[in-house]
Amino acid sequence: RKEVEQDPGPFNVPEGATVAFNCTYSNSASQSFFWYRQDCRKEPKLLMSVYSSGNEDGRFTAQLNRASQYISLLIRDSKLSDSATYLCVVNGGTNAGKSTFGDGTTLTVKP
Amino acid sequence: DTGVSQNPRHKITKRGQNVTFRCDPISEHNRLYWYRQTLGQGPEFLTYFQNEAQLEKSRLLSDRFSAERPKGSFSTLEIQRTEQGDSAMYLCASSPSQGFKGQTGELFFGEGSRLTVL
Repeated sequence: RKEVEQDPGPFNVPEGATVAFNCTYSNSASQSFFWYRQDCRKEPKLLMSVYSSGNEDGRFTAQLNRASQYISLLIRDSKLSDSATYLCVVNGGTNAGKSTFGDGTTLTVKP
Repeated sequence: DTGVSQNPRHKITKRGQNVTFRCDPISEHNRLYWYRQTLGQGPEFLTYFQNEAQLEKSRLLSDRFSAERPKGSFSTLEIQRTEQGDSAMYLCASSPSQGFKGQTGELFFGEGSRLTVL
């Protein structure tokens, strides 16, 4: 079993749709959680950090459930420019310097 | 440009040859990471340094792989006796260490070095 698991998709949605991505992690001692975005043939870039209280950044909302070891990302009012691969990332525990990436969920937003 | 820089961007080599990649991190970052990524997969952790100390190396990494960061600045990743299975994008990232004022745990990636082993 992978340390970080994501639904690979692909998710194909029309513009304006709301889409949710899920992620589970196996290390209960993990401390920090993130969503990264990776465009085709580009490097990953931080989209947002994920906090236990939940956090929102414009159309993006991230949630963390430590008890269930589950992370989510909600994108509202999808734009064509949201098309990318979204990577769930977990850091910390006994290996505080190491960030473990999921394999990503691919989103395509269509007109 | 003050981002993470990687060289070369592309490398094509024959099986059995040695290759070396270089990474120059963001200057004030003392943590440096190497990841490997293949198509359809997320970045796979290889190793990381805090300053010049290599603090962790993936158990998945064979002895053909070695990384150094001799002066705590740039780093090199060498692959000896390359195999076709080594073909991948090799990503370098840097970050401030934990406790650095204002740091968020974000990794700042370079554009990667793409290796093709024929």
